[in-house]
Amino acid sequence: QVQLKESGPGLVQPSQTLSLTCTVSGLSLTSNSVSWIRQPPGKGLEWMGVIWSNGGTDYNSAIKSRLSISRDTSKSQVFLKMNSLQTEDTAMYFCARMGVYYGLLLPYFDYWGQGVMVTVSS
Amino acid sequence: DIRMTQSPASLSASLGETVNIECLASEDIYSDLAWYQQKPGKSPQLLIYNANSLQNGVPSRFSGSGSGTQYSLKINSLQSEDVATYFCQQYNNYPPWTFGGGTKLELK
Repeated sequence: QVQLKESGPGLVQPSQTLSLTCTVSGLSLTSNSVSWIRQPPGKGLEWMGVIWSNGGTDYNSAIKSRLSISRDTSKSQVFLKMNSLQTEDTAMYFCARMGVYYGLLLPYFDYWGQGVMVTVSS
Repeated sequence: DIRMTQSPASLSASLGETVNIECLASEDIYSDLAWYQQKPGKSPQLLIYNANSLQNGVPSRFSGSGSGTQYSLKINSLQSEDVATYFCQQYNNYPPWTFGGGTKLELK
């Protein structure tokens, strides 16, 4: 079955770079698109960026200058790197798969990882 | 970007009651709307897509409706396991995908 699992450091110092990994199973990254979505404590969901099945990327314009998403298809992993972290980047970070139906992209998120909590603090 | 506004932000209801949550888009999203349920400490789960199609495995007491800019999620016969925060999300114009602010549902 489809599974996604985020991993990464729980604590990052201000101004430093965050690196997260999303390891997927039960799907191929060459035929599935994966997004990163974050949620500050007690708040709503913010879409951050996507890596498409063809390897292309799109980012939220609010954080585009700080964000990079990449992947290693042989390891079934998607990576997030975000620099210049501030306290307002403290959040739960999720990776989520966009639905697929017989090769047709369904642009909503049908499988989510459990999330990883990242705290930005000195 | 399309703005999604949910109401109410929180609500309290009794077991067995019917609950309605509203979602307003800043422009016509042509029913390209999903609803998610997020239980405390868990990741969101897809409930409804295309405004009114139930995701596999979701109980039939959940239903979605709406068109244009106005959408709603209805929960019939509220159960204790329905205590959660509910989010709407548009996918008519992406990126970015945008979410409503959430509606926190509690038991009275």
